[in-house]
Amino acid sequence: NAGVMQNPRHLVRRRGQEARLRCSPMKGHSHVYWYRQLPEEGLKFMVYLQKENIIDESGMPKERFSAEFPKEGPSILRIQQVVRGDSAAYFCASSPPTAGMNTEAFFGQGTRLTVV
Amino acid sequence: GEDVEQSLFLSVREGDSSVINCTYTDSSSTYLYWYKQEPGAGLQLLTYIFSNMDMKQDQRLTVLLNKKDKHLSLRIADTQTGDSAIYFCAERIVGGFKTIFGAGTRLFVKA
Repeated sequence: NAGVMQNPRHLVRRRGQEARLRCSPMKGHSHVYWYRQLPEEGLKFMVYLQKENIIDESGMPKERFSAEFPKEGPSILRIQQVVRGDSAAYFCASSPPTAGMNTEAFFGQGTRLTVV
Repeated sequence: GEDVEQSLFLSVREGDSSVINCTYTDSSSTYLYWYKQEPGAGLQLLTYIFSNMDMKQDQRLTVLLNKKDKHLSLRIADTQTGDSAIYFCAERIVGGFKTIFGAGTRLFVKA
Protein backbone atom coordinates (compact mmCIF):
# COMPACT_ATOMS: atom_id res chain seq x y z
CA ASN A 1 0.00 0.00 0.00
CA ALA A 2 1.77 3.09 -1.24
CA GLY A 3 1.72 6.10 1.00
CA VAL A 4 0.47 9.55 0.11
CA MET A 5 2.13 10.47 -3.17
CA GLN A 6 2.89 14.05 -4.06
CA ASN A 7 4.40 15.31 -7.27
CA PRO A 8 6.48 16.97 -8.25
CA ARG A 9 8.85 16.89 -5.30
CA HIS A 10 10.45 20.12 -6.40
CA LEU A 11 8.91 22.81 -8.57
CA VAL A 12 10.49 26.04 -9.78
CA ARG A 13 8.30 28.75 -11.24
CA ARG A 14 8.94 32.30 -12.38
CA ARG A 15 6.88 35.08 -10.87
CA GLY A 16 3.50 35.30 -12.60
CA GLN A 17 3.40 31.65 -13.70
CA GLU A 18 1.00 29.01 -12.43
CA ALA A 19 1.94 26.18 -10.09
CA ARG A 20 -0.01 22.92 -9.98
CA LEU A 21 0.71 20.52 -7.13
CA ARG A 22 -0.70 17.00 -7.15
CA CYS A 23 -1.56 14.65 -4.33
CA SER A 24 -2.71 11.06 -4.58
CA PRO A 25 -4.08 9.89 -1.22
CA MET A 26 -3.46 6.49 0.26
CA LYS A 27 -5.66 3.70 -1.05
CA GLY A 28 -9.04 3.77 0.63
CA HIS A 29 -8.63 7.35 1.85
CA SER A 30 -11.25 9.83 0.72
CA HIS A 31 -10.21 12.82 2.81
CA VAL A 32 -7.37 15.09 1.73
CA TYR A 33 -5.76 18.00 3.53
CA TRP A 34 -3.26 20.56 2.27
CA TYR A 35 -0.77 22.30 4.54
CA ARG A 36 1.87 24.93 3.81
CA GLN A 37 5.22 25.16 5.56
CA LEU A 38 7.00 28.46 5.16
CA PRO A 39 10.77 28.47 5.78
CA GLU A 40 11.65 28.00 9.44
CA GLU A 41 7.99 27.60 10.43
CA GLY A 42 5.56 24.83 11.26
CA LEU A 43 2.83 23.56 9.00
CA LYS A 44 -0.29 25.68 8.57
CA PHE A 45 -3.61 24.20 7.53
CA MET A 46 -4.92 25.38 4.18
CA VAL A 47 -7.85 23.28 3.01
CA TYR A 48 -9.75 20.07 3.69
CA LEU A 49 -11.43 18.22 0.84
CA GLN A 50 -13.46 15.12 0.32
CA LYS A 51 -14.21 13.71 -3.11
CA GLU A 52 -15.72 16.53 -5.20
CA ASN A 53 -16.29 18.71 -2.12
CA ILE A 54 -14.37 21.41 -0.31
CA ILE A 55 -15.20 20.96 3.37
CA ASP A 56 -13.10 23.75 4.88
CA GLU A 57 -10.86 26.26 3.16
CA SER A 58 -10.38 28.63 6.05
CA GLY A 59 -6.60 28.51 5.67
CA MET A 60 -6.50 29.28 1.97
CA PRO A 61 -5.42 32.74 0.82
CA LYS A 62 -8.42 34.52 -0.65
CA GLU A 63 -6.87 35.07 -4.05
CA ARG A 64 -4.82 33.02 -6.50
CA PHE A 65 -5.12 29.74 -4.57
CA SER A 66 -7.60 26.99 -5.34
CA ALA A 67 -7.92 23.29 -4.60
CA GLU A 68 -9.93 20.43 -5.98
CA PHE A 69 -10.34 16.72 -5.40
CA PRO A 70 -12.20 15.28 -8.37
CA LYS A 71 -14.09 12.01 -8.43
CA GLU A 72 -11.26 10.49 -10.43
CA GLY A 73 -7.62 11.42 -10.13
CA PRO A 74 -5.46 13.22 -7.64
CA SER A 75 -6.17 16.30 -5.59
CA ILE A 76 -4.74 19.45 -7.14
CA LEU A 77 -3.56 22.59 -5.37
CA ARG A 78 -3.34 25.38 -7.91
CA ILE A 79 -1.54 28.67 -7.38
CA GLN A 80 -2.03 31.28 -10.07
CA GLN A 81 0.36 34.17 -10.75
CA VAL A 82 2.88 32.98 -8.20
CA VAL A 83 4.88 35.46 -6.16
CA ARG A 84 8.11 34.99 -4.21
CA GLY A 85 6.15 34.74 -0.95
CA ASP A 86 4.51 31.55 -2.23
CA SER A 87 7.88 29.77 -1.97
CA ALA A 88 7.30 27.06 0.61
CA ALA A 89 6.86 23.34 1.12
CA TYR A 90 3.32 22.19 0.48
CA PHE A 91 2.27 19.00 2.23
CA CYS A 92 -0.71 16.84 1.51
CA ALA A 93 -2.21 14.44 4.03
CA SER A 94 -4.99 11.89 3.73
CA SER A 95 -7.21 9.95 6.06
CA PRO A 96 -9.94 7.33 5.71
CA PRO A 97 -13.67 8.15 5.78
CA THR A 98 -13.84 7.78 9.57
CA ALA A 99 -11.61 10.82 9.85
CA GLY A 100 -13.31 12.20 12.93
CA MET A 101 -12.45 9.15 14.96
CA ASN A 102 -9.16 8.39 13.38
CA THR A 103 -5.94 8.97 15.19
CA GLU A 104 -3.76 9.83 12.28
CA ALA A 105 -3.59 11.62 8.98
CA PHE A 106 -0.80 10.32 6.77
CA PHE A 107 1.47 12.92 5.21
CA GLY A 108 3.17 12.92 1.85
CA GLN A 109 6.78 13.94 1.24
CA GLY A 110 5.77 17.42 0.19
CA THR A 111 6.32 19.60 -2.86
CA ARG A 112 8.92 22.29 -2.47
CA LEU A 113 7.93 25.30 -4.55
CA THR A 114 10.53 27.90 -5.37
CA VAL A 115 9.47 31.09 -7.09
CA VAL A 116 12.27 32.93 -8.86
CA GLY B 1 -8.47 29.27 19.55
CA GLU B 2 -5.99 26.46 19.23
CA ASP B 3 -2.32 27.22 19.60
CA VAL B 4 0.74 25.02 20.01
CA GLU B 5 4.08 26.37 21.20
CA GLN B 6 7.48 24.77 21.50
CA SER B 7 11.04 25.87 22.06
CA LEU B 8 12.98 26.34 18.83
CA PHE B 9 16.34 24.69 19.54
CA LEU B 10 17.82 21.89 21.62
CA SER B 11 21.39 20.64 21.59
CA VAL B 12 22.48 17.42 23.30
CA ARG B 13 25.47 15.07 23.28
CA GLU B 14 25.22 11.66 21.72
CA GLY B 15 24.10 9.10 24.30
CA ASP B 16 22.32 11.65 26.50
CA SER B 17 18.56 11.96 26.79
CA SER B 18 16.71 14.69 24.90
CA VAL B 19 13.55 16.28 26.23
CA ILE B 20 11.48 18.38 23.86
CA ASN B 21 8.66 20.39 25.38
CA CYS B 22 5.38 21.68 24.02
CA THR B 23 2.38 23.55 25.36
CA TYR B 24 -1.09 23.65 23.85
CA THR B 25 -4.17 25.66 24.59
CA ASP B 26 -7.22 23.59 23.67
CA SER B 27 -9.15 22.02 26.56
CA SER B 28 -11.22 19.68 24.41
CA SER B 29 -10.47 16.02 24.01
CA THR B 30 -7.54 15.95 21.69
CA TYR B 31 -4.98 13.78 20.05
CA LEU B 32 -1.45 15.06 20.59
CA TYR B 33 1.24 14.04 18.13
CA TRP B 34 4.97 14.17 17.72
CA TYR B 35 6.31 14.27 14.17
CA LYS B 36 9.91 14.15 12.98
CA GLN B 37 11.11 15.98 9.88
CA GLU B 38 14.59 15.40 8.49
CA PRO B 39 16.12 17.98 6.14
CA GLY B 40 14.26 18.15 2.85
CA ALA B 41 11.95 15.32 3.84
CA GLY B 42 8.32 14.89 4.77
CA LEU B 43 6.79 14.27 8.16
CA GLN B 44 7.19 11.02 10.01
CA LEU B 45 4.70 10.32 12.77
CA LEU B 46 6.73 9.19 15.79
CA THR B 47 4.03 8.70 18.38
CA TYR B 48 0.77 10.12 19.63
CA ILE B 49 -1.17 10.28 22.87
CA PHE B 50 -4.81 10.87 23.64
CA SER B 51 -5.56 13.63 26.11
CA ASN B 52 -6.95 11.25 28.75
CA MET B 53 -3.57 9.51 29.04
CA ASP B 54 -0.62 10.56 31.19
CA MET B 55 2.21 8.70 29.57
CA LYS B 56 3.08 6.56 26.60
CA GLN B 57 6.33 4.70 26.00
CA ASP B 58 7.53 3.28 22.71
CA GLN B 59 11.10 1.94 22.67
CA ARG B 60 13.38 4.98 23.11
CA LEU B 61 10.50 7.44 23.11
CA THR B 62 8.50 8.49 26.16
CA VAL B 63 5.63 10.97 25.94
CA LEU B 64 4.45 12.68 29.11
CA LEU B 65 1.26 14.69 29.32
CA ASN B 66 0.39 17.13 32.09
CA LYS B 67 -3.26 17.93 31.39
CA LYS B 68 -3.53 20.53 34.11
CA ASP B 69 -0.70 22.61 32.66
CA LYS B 70 -1.45 21.56 29.06
CA HIS B 71 2.18 20.54 28.75
CA LEU B 72 3.47 17.74 26.55
CA SER B 73 7.00 16.42 26.39
CA LEU B 74 8.90 13.96 24.24
CA ARG B 75 11.89 12.23 25.77
CA ILE B 76 14.35 10.44 23.50
CA ALA B 77 16.62 8.09 25.42
CA ASP B 78 20.20 7.42 24.26
CA THR B 79 20.02 10.13 21.60
CA GLN B 80 21.91 9.30 18.40
CA THR B 81 23.23 11.55 15.63
CA GLY B 82 20.50 10.14 13.40
CA ASP B 83 17.96 11.74 15.72
CA SER B 84 19.06 15.20 14.55
CA ALA B 85 15.94 16.66 12.93
CA ILE B 86 13.05 19.02 13.53
CA TYR B 87 10.41 17.70 15.92
CA PHE B 88 6.88 19.02 15.61
CA CYS B 89 4.29 18.89 18.33
CA ALA B 90 0.72 18.90 16.97
CA GLU B 91 -2.81 18.56 18.23
CA ARG B 92 -6.15 17.61 16.71
CA ILE B 93 -9.50 17.82 18.46
CA VAL B 94 -11.48 14.58 18.48
CA GLY B 95 -14.06 14.83 15.73
CA GLY B 96 -12.12 17.65 14.10
CA PHE B 97 -10.10 17.56 10.94
CA LYS B 98 -7.52 20.29 11.36
CA THR B 99 -4.13 19.45 12.84
CA ILE B 100 -2.46 22.42 14.55
CA PHE B 101 1.32 22.33 14.48
CA GLY B 102 3.92 24.05 16.60
CA ALA B 103 6.82 25.79 14.90
CA GLY B 104 9.12 22.84 15.50
CA THR B 105 12.12 22.19 17.76
CA ARG B 106 15.45 21.75 16.00
CA LEU B 107 17.40 19.01 17.74
CA PHE B 108 21.17 19.01 17.27
CA VAL B 109 23.04 15.93 18.44
CA LYS B 110 26.78 16.37 18.97
CA ALA B 111 29.01 13.34 18.56
